[in-house]
Amino acid sequence: GAGVSQTPSNKVTEKGKYVELRCDPISGHTALYWYRQSLGQGPEFLIYFQGTGAADDSGLPNDRFFAVRPEGSVSTLKIQRTERGDSAVYLCASSAAGTYNEQFFGPGTRLTVL
Amino acid sequence: AQKITQTQPGMFVQEKEAVTLDCTYDTSDPSYGLFWYKQPSSGEMIFLIYQGSYDQQNATEGRYSLNFQKARKSANLVISASQLGDSAMYFCAMREASGGSNYKLTFGKGTLLTVNP
Repeated sequence: GAGVSQTPSNKVTEKGKYVELRCDPISGHTALYWYRQSLGQGPEFLIYFQGTGAADDSGLPNDRFFAVRPEGSVSTLKIQRTERGDSAVYLCASSAAGTYNEQFFGPGTRLTVL
Repeated sequence: AQKITQTQPGMFVQEKEAVTLDCTYDTSDPSYGLFWYKQPSSGEMIFLIYQGSYDQQNATEGRYSLNFQKARKSANLVISASQLGDSAMYFCAMREASGGSNYKLTFGKGTLLTVNP
């Protein structure tokens, strides 16, 4: 079956603009996660959804970042008033209900803020 | 203090030889899980192997094995019979069970493995 997909694969934007990054998890996976990977670093947790609700958004850096998952499947990470420091690869992962032993990651969206 | 430490920024290995990638971790939680992921240049994180803190035996998955030394808080990845396709970044990660956040992975900075023909 299909894995986690993310669109776009690359996004270049100007400082101050608004961007949306999309994640399509594996069908049937109720848990969805967003991570951010800066250059030379490992991924850092941003937010976790169980179903439609954000169970933990403690990793979001500030209120410019917001994520939704209205129907419990596709999720969108939204960044307002982008800053150059937001440039990174944004990774999405999903896992099956009741197990956190394996998170399946998508290919990521590389965001560049000029 | 960093929760996951990978002290080897880069490693080289000859094809068909074994290589060990180091990982030490820091937690006071008695229940935790340790993971290794591979990230090729395409960017996708590929799950390799998992070790639970209460598992009695070291985890193995094909050519991958995890050398789990609980008292030393180390979880080194051993790749046997290296292949050219093993060249990638390798990340060690931990999930702690306490505080209800048993879903959150904390990653190290990674080790870049290069397999030479």
